[in-house]
Amino acid sequence: DTGVSQDPRHKITKRGQNVTFRCDPISEHNRLYWYRQTLGQGPEFLTYFQNEAQLEKSRLLSDRFSAERPKGSFSTLEIQRTEQGDSAMYLCASSQGFSGDTQYFGPGTRLTVL
Amino acid sequence: DAKTTQPTSMDCAEGRAANLPCNHSTISGNEYVYWYRQIHSQGPQYIIHGLKNNETNEMASLIITEDRKSSTLILPHATLRDTAVYYCIAPNTGGFKTIFGAGTRLFVKA
Repeated sequence: DTGVSQDPRHKITKRGQNVTFRCDPISEHNRLYWYRQTLGQGPEFLTYFQNEAQLEKSRLLSDRFSAERPKGSFSTLEIQRTEQGDSAMYLCASSQGFSGDTQYFGPGTRLTVL
Repeated sequence: DAKTTQPTSMDCAEGRAANLPCNHSTISGNEYVYWYRQIHSQGPQYIIHGLKNNETNEMASLIITEDRKSSTLILPHATLRDTAVYYCIAPNTGGFKTIFGAGTRLFVKA
């Protein structure tokens, strides 16, 4: 068990560019979550997957945000046409999917949009 | 998710017990109480969770009131490395839209 990993750890981009982040969950976990965290705030839920199915995406911040988990393993979060307001920490978590479901978080990807 | 309320910040002397309160008066019968902590620039770290009974693990103890409307996380012998933001959450088991508030910023002082 190597824990949840995220790549890259830091990303600096210019406004208007597209960015993609990757999350590798704990291997036997079938649920995967994405969160955004801005300075001084708690993590903000964005979306989650049960295996490859995206079961909740209403909290994605705009249609510029999309997430995939094509084979039920790793996931990607893409932000198109980035804006300065997208600068934040993007966190991924995974869980086994049982009742009383503990989520384990990765280290996050810090995005800076110039 | 049940709404949770925590103090904004707390201080604790090194070596003493840190008692972090959380109110979750709207919690439903099947919602667990979870505690996480986040050290600056890292992802949240799971600490402990419980439903009705008090729980203890190697990191902390969780005391849940009988009516389940509040709980207390206890760090029995706080160290400087316990300085962090502590989050109390009660995620909805149906919707999985876990809601974190701003948490409690705990400062452990030497």
